[in-house]
Formats: sequence, structure tokens, C-alpha cells
Amino acid sequence: DIQLTQSPSFLSASVGDRVTITCRASQGISSYLAWYQQKPGKAPKLLIYAASTLQSGVPSRFSGSGSGTEFTLTISSLQSEDFATYYCQHLNSYPPYTFGQGTKLEIK
Amino acid sequence: EVQLVESGGGLVKPGGSLRLSCAAAGLTFSGHSMNWVRQAPGKGLEWVSSISSRSVYIYYADSVKGRFTISRDNAKNSLYLQMNSLRVEDTAVYYCARAYGDFNWFDPWGQGTLVTVSS
Repeated sequence: DIQLTQSPSFLSASVGDRVTITCRASQGISSYLAWYQQKPGKAPKLLIYAASTLQSGVPSRFSGSGSGTEFTLTISSLQSEDFATYYCQHLNSYPPYTFGQGTKLEIK
Repeated sequence: EVQLVESGGGLVKPGGSLRLSCAAAGLTFSGHSMNWVRQAPGKGLEWVSSISSRSVYIYYADSVKGRFTISRDNAKNSLYLQMNSLRVEDTAVYYCARAYGDFNWFDPWGQGTLVTVSS
């Protein structure tokens, strides 16, 4: 099975900062990657699919890029509501659907 | 509005059983594969099980294979997870999620239901 490793696991940043989270796959997965945001006590929310396609309703300050084994989620200018935990997920036509271990984004 | 609502969580002793339900609204339930994902306290997301739109294809994570059974009733727009032989390590919030698009990204998710396995 494909493994996904996110870095960093914890990230401290300030409102207005530009932040980047990386997700590395143990083998090439083309563009079959999604990003989710999860706030405490809430369900995950889809942000990006197919590595770079922004889900409807998601602010344009979020962007995704990459293909193969290395992917990034970038928030261009952090807002207070963006402090959350972010997960990448390997997309596929069949399971298992692997998630990264998560990146917790905290206020500096 | 597309909505998924889980129910059936609670406190159960090790070795016990529990059945989770997920009620869907605002979507063509019978047209989508569905999934269960869990999250242990303070931990990350773990995919648990998937079922195709007409229940032809069913998959389980190795950690639950042989103990959990996923099913659905398209007439009732409902998804189920029968959990038997529960272990302490099954303690988690369980989410249902729709698989969507060409490569099954998960959207939307339900609000989750907490399962606690403890003596």
C-alpha cells in the first residue's frame, strides 16, 4: 500500500503569513491526491482534489500543486479561520484510501 | 443541501457489538460509493470500510476485517456499520463520507459519532 508522509507535523504561523505543507507519497500517484481541513470537534472538509482543483466554495488563498510523489498545499495569506489540522489523502478508484498523518497549523 | 448524519455510537465493553447508521439527504444516495472513516482521540484519520453503490464491491481495512460489516439500504438512503468483537483500540469518532468524482475524494462527511470501548 502507498504511504503518505506530511511535513511538518506541526506548524506555527501568524495571520497574513504564507504557509506550505508538503505531502510525499511512497510511490508515484500521478495527481491522485486530495487535501482536507479539520477543525477541533468537526468533520474534515474537502479543500482540494486531483492535487490542484479547488473544491467549490473554498477560498482562493488555498492552492495545491504537485504530481508523482511530492505535493504541496499552500495558503497564500493566513486568516484566523485557517488554523486547523490538514490531511492529504491518496485518491484511487478502489481502497485502501490512505491519509497522511496530518499537519497541525497553530497560531504563533 | 447534501447532508450525512451518523448515529448509534456509545459506550460498549470489549468484545461487545454496536451498529452505526448514517442517514443521507440531498443526494442521489444510490449513485455513490460510501465510506466509513474513524479517528481515535487525538489521532489522525483512518479509512475503515467502503461499499459500492449497489453493494457489489465491499472493502475493509485490515484492522477491522472479519469483525466489522458494512452495508447499505438504498431505499432508505442509509449506510450501516455493524461492529462486532470490539476492542479498546476501536475507540474513535466514526464518520461516514460519500466517495465522489472520478477518483473517489470524500465529500461530504457526516458530523461523526463517538464509539467508546471500555470495561
